[in-house]
Amino acid sequence: SQTIHQWPATLVQPVGSPLSLECTVEGTSNPNLYWYRQAAGRGLQLLFYSVGIGQISSEVPQNLSASRPQDRQFILSSKKLLLSDSGFYLCAWSVGRNTEAFFGQGTRLTVV
Amino acid sequence: KNEVEQSPQNLTAQEGEFITINCSYSVGISALHWLQQHPGGGIVSLFMLSSGKKKHGRLIATINIQEKHSSLHITASHPRDSAVYICAVNSNSGYALNFGKGTSLLVTP
Repeated sequence: SQTIHQWPATLVQPVGSPLSLECTVEGTSNPNLYWYRQAAGRGLQLLFYSVGIGQISSEVPQNLSASRPQDRQFILSSKKLLLSDSGFYLCAWSVGRNTEAFFGQGTRLTVV
Repeated sequence: KNEVEQSPQNLTAQEGEFITINCSYSVGISALHWLQQHPGGGIVSLFMLSSGKKKHGRLIATINIQEKHSSLHITASHPRDSAVYICAVNSNSGYALNFGKGTSLLVTP
């Protein structure tokens, strides 16, 4: 069966520090992968999606970047965190565009 | 304006009540999802539908494509149903989901 792992679950980082959140999927090949962010009081917002290794699309300009070094690995990074980067980050995968999406447990990031 | 609007934003119900959460969207879609987010943050997919009605246990989801509206119903609500319920759509033009802000449901004993 397919599973998705996302870590860490919680993270407190100082302003200006780097960030690396990792997401891996098991049990499927060539998934579409997504990073979403949920800021306080707002709905989930797409940050990045990837349809294949090395292919990254960004929906909104920001202080973050994403990479897909392997088929089932998706990494969210920042070189220098801002206070506004605080939020709840979710990784997700799907088989295609209009198929069911599966979500990781999320990472609650607090930038102090 | 958000492409996906949910109502109500917050909902408190007594155990056993019938609950309805509404979702309206303004774009052409290929599918609509209802998701459940528990206090810890993890999200679970409840339904994906593109027409008609689906039922799973005490949960029923309906969609009216012409009116661009969907509803999620919970029959015989229970405190364990307390969670945030999120409506999301696959628009015809995008790859990922567009989300509503969620409806926070509290079911009291």
